[in-house]
Amino acid sequence: GAGVSQTPSNKVTEKGKYVELRCDPISGHTALYWYRQSLGQGPEFLIYFQGTGAADDSGLPNDRFFAVRPEGSVSTLKIQRTERGDSAVYLCASSAYRSAGGADTQYFGPGTRLTVL
Amino acid sequence: KNEVEQSPQNLTAQEGEFITINCSYSVGISALHWLQQHPGGGIVSLFMLSSGKKKHGRLIATINIQEKHSSLHITASHPRDSAVYICAVPMYSGGGADGLTFGKGTHLIIQP
Repeated sequence: GAGVSQTPSNKVTEKGKYVELRCDPISGHTALYWYRQSLGQGPEFLIYFQGTGAADDSGLPNDRFFAVRPEGSVSTLKIQRTERGDSAVYLCASSAYRSAGGADTQYFGPGTRLTVL
Repeated sequence: KNEVEQSPQNLTAQEGEFITINCSYSVGISALHWLQQHPGGGIVSLFMLSSGKKKHGRLIATINIQEKHSSLHITASHPRDSAVYICAVPMYSGGGADGLTFGKGTHLIIQP
């Protein structure tokens, strides 16, 4: 079946603008994660959804960042008043849900490269 | 909250050499992930392991839960193995479906 998809693949915007990044997880995966990867660094956690609700949003850097998953499938990461420091690759991953304490493989999308000029 | 240390940061080797990449973490976990990222490419999951050892082709991953340490080995390395290898663990102790904390990655280059 199809893997995790993300759109757009590249986004260039100007400082101060609003952007939306979309993630389509693997069908049936209830867990969805957003990460951010700066050049030369490992990814950093932003937010984790279990179904429609944000189970952990502790990685969102400030209140300019917001994410939704209204129907428990597609998720949108929204960034207001973008800053140059927001430039990074934004990665989405999904996994099948297991009972509490159980881990499962996370499947990553190709990422959206965001450049804020 | 878990922290991950990975070494080496960069590794250049000749084709055919045996490769070892190390990962240490600070808090007890349910499983550890090894990931591969090619330049300009997405991240692919290689292994998820919670104990002992797993093997897939020329790749072997081991974990010592007591010492909070894991290694990724590549036997008979090949130029196509050149990539960034990343170790990742759940952010919180015992966290299974939690978000991951990642190491900075090991940039591996295999020269022909």
